[in-house]
Amino acid sequence: QSVLTQPPSASGTPGQRGTISCSGSSSNIGSNYVYWYQQVPGTAPKLLIYKNNQRPSGVPDRFSGSKSATSASLAISGLRSEDEADYYCAAWDDSLSALIFGGGTKLTVL
Amino acid sequence: EVQLLESGGGLVQPGGSLRLSCAASGFTFSSYAMSWVRQAPGKGLEWVSVISGSGTSTYYADSVKGRFTISRDNSKNTVFLQMNSLRAEDTAVYYCTKVRDQLLAGLDYWGQGTLVTVSS
Repeated sequence: QSVLTQPPSASGTPGQRGTISCSGSSSNIGSNYVYWYQQVPGTAPKLLIYKNNQRPSGVPDRFSGSKSATSASLAISGLRSEDEADYYCAAWDDSLSALIFGGGTKLTVL
Repeated sequence: EVQLLESGGGLVQPGGSLRLSCAASGFTFSSYAMSWVRQAPGKGLEWVSVISGSGTSTYYADSVKGRFTISRDNSKNTVFLQMNSLRAEDTAVYYCTKVRDQLLAGLDYWGQGTLVTVSS
């Protein structure tokens, strides 16, 4: 069981807005930045969001991140078929002195 | 262009050892921490270990502490993961990653992964 909790699945139709939640605690999300990773099946993960809401160059502005207290969210506006992937949140945990990942959310674009 | 190329994966018996290597290029290697992340078949991501740019600081997941050792050779732009006392639950694709800053959680480049299978 992951220290960061994500819903196992999410879905939406093309053009809709999709959101994925990530719940943690005071030792991780509550005191550190949140990162989001996208993994298209069969490929290596890719950094999507860093420091809660920053996008690396090349990541479309359709992707946005937010954080409040011990929870975070990833929002994807204007869903596209190519957004179908697994999404993972991550944060450093001060109590564990370790990087922890959420269990992952499989996003389906119907 | 940043490139990370892992090698050293393969089939090993329970209790055995394996050493993974990751050759890096396209950035000033010694300026960045490097991390290993694994993914068991059909499962999610699990962080394994991180090493600072100088090699003086290391951290490990509890699941591998005492069995795995991360190290680096900055003269060869290579990071290693020595894995001892391997267990079936260590079976996974192991990814080498570059850490974007001192906060240790932003893994901005990933290798293609190398598969480690622990089985008799």
